[in-house]
Amino acid sequence: DAGVTQSPTHLIKTRGQQVTLRCSPKSGHDTVSWYQQALGQGPQFIFQYYEEEERQRGNFPDRFSGHQFPNYSSELNVNALLLGDSALYLCASSQYTVNEKLFFGSGTQLSVL
Amino acid sequence: DQQVKQNSPSLSVQEGRISILNCDYTNSMFDYFLWYKKYPAEGPTFLISISSIKDKNEDGRFTVFLNKSAKHLSLHIVPSQPGDSAVYFCAASAGGGTSYGKLTFGQGTILTVHP
Repeated sequence: DAGVTQSPTHLIKTRGQQVTLRCSPKSGHDTVSWYQQALGQGPQFIFQYYEEEERQRGNFPDRFSGHQFPNYSSELNVNALLLGDSALYLCASSQYTVNEKLFFGSGTQLSVL
Repeated sequence: DQQVKQNSPSLSVQEGRISILNCDYTNSMFDYFLWYKKYPAEGPTFLISISSIKDKNEDGRFTVFLNKSAKHLSLHIVPSQPGDSAVYFCAASAGGGTSYGKLTFGQGTILTVHP
């Protein structure tokens, strides 16, 4: 049973560029949440997707957007990259109606130069 | 505004002894609390959780204590093992039910268990 998978594992971009990160949830899960973890900090909630809609959003600008596909996989898009966007981006999956712990992927390390 | 705080950046413990990791929160709406463990190059892994209607939850070597009046929770690991060496994150959610996907994390505590 595959857990949460994310791609790519590492990515290098330059300021002003756009990036797309991908996530496949754990089998049986229908909800995907995205988190940003800066160096030395805890993960920060970006947004959550369920039934292909954004359900909750953290304190992130509109440059951060997402999408969920019918197979429950998800993408995180960041436009007009800033140096401060350099971080580990974590995807977590869960079942929307179940009080259950989140399962996290290993993350995508994004470096903006 | 750091709603969940882990004031100890690091903790060093001898194998076999108790490890106590602490966490404080400020948001009274938080009603579910979790601890995650993270190894380098891996995502956080769930350890143990507690609902605000309880003050203690045990799972093997791990026990979480919740003091709602003090807005404080702690994770006890007994006995500590070298494999427990990792970064530990405290997390909280508010609103119950479908809000569980939105967790607020602390900054993490690096635990080192020496053989």
